[in-house]
Amino acid sequence: EVQLVESGGGLVQPGWSLRLSCAASGFAFDDYAMHWVRQVPGKGLEWVSGIDWNSATTDYAPSVKGRFTISRDNAKNSLYLEMNSLRVEDTALYYCGKDIGESSDYLTLDYWGLGTLVTVSS
Amino acid sequence: DIQMTQSPSSLSASVGDRVTITCRASQGISKSVAWYQQKPGKAPKLLLYVASTLKSGVPSRFSGSGSGTDYTLTISSLQPEDFATYYCQQSYNTPFTFGQGTKLEI
Repeated sequence: EVQLVESGGGLVQPGWSLRLSCAASGFAFDDYAMHWVRQVPGKGLEWVSGIDWNSATTDYAPSVKGRFTISRDNAKNSLYLEMNSLRVEDTALYYCGKDIGESSDYLTLDYWGLGTLVTVSS
Repeated sequence: DIQMTQSPSSLSASVGDRVTITCRASQGISKSVAWYQQKPGKAPKLLLYVASTLKSGVPSRFSGSGSGTDYTLTISSLQPEDFATYYCQQSYNTPFTFGQGTKLEI
């Protein structure tokens, strides 16, 4: 059974940093691209970042480019999102998602975690 | 960025109804569209991708079609478990973008 479990969310002040993790199990992690998608509670979905199977390619939404860094450790079946210079508008539930393919050039997420909540507030 | 405009934003329907949700892209996206279902407090679930390919395990009452800029999700006969919010999403290029969602209510 595919499982994605996010962790690392919390309450931080504007300008602070946070590192999210996603532990994957139940599939060959190093065969698939992975992504982060966020959702303000009660609002729509926003793609944040993606990484291909071997970390050769990463992509970011313009709203986070230069502040967030996506990475993965295939030996640990884990995905990460390093978030720096956090803003109030980064407040959201952050989901980790598994793509159906190895390339991050497309976004089709067939499995999602339950999400981890990031709140940025002074 | 490619804008994905869904209509309607909300829809009232009954069990057994046939419903259609439309998504219009701001430019042609060559069938690079996926549809997701989200229930309150849950993560989204993939229903269809490349416009019309049904994800394994998804009931056949869900179908998708479209080309160019216009795409549709159709539920042929609504079941009680189908009342949820539906999102379209383009994977034609980055930044990948979602529609604003369609809330399907009784």
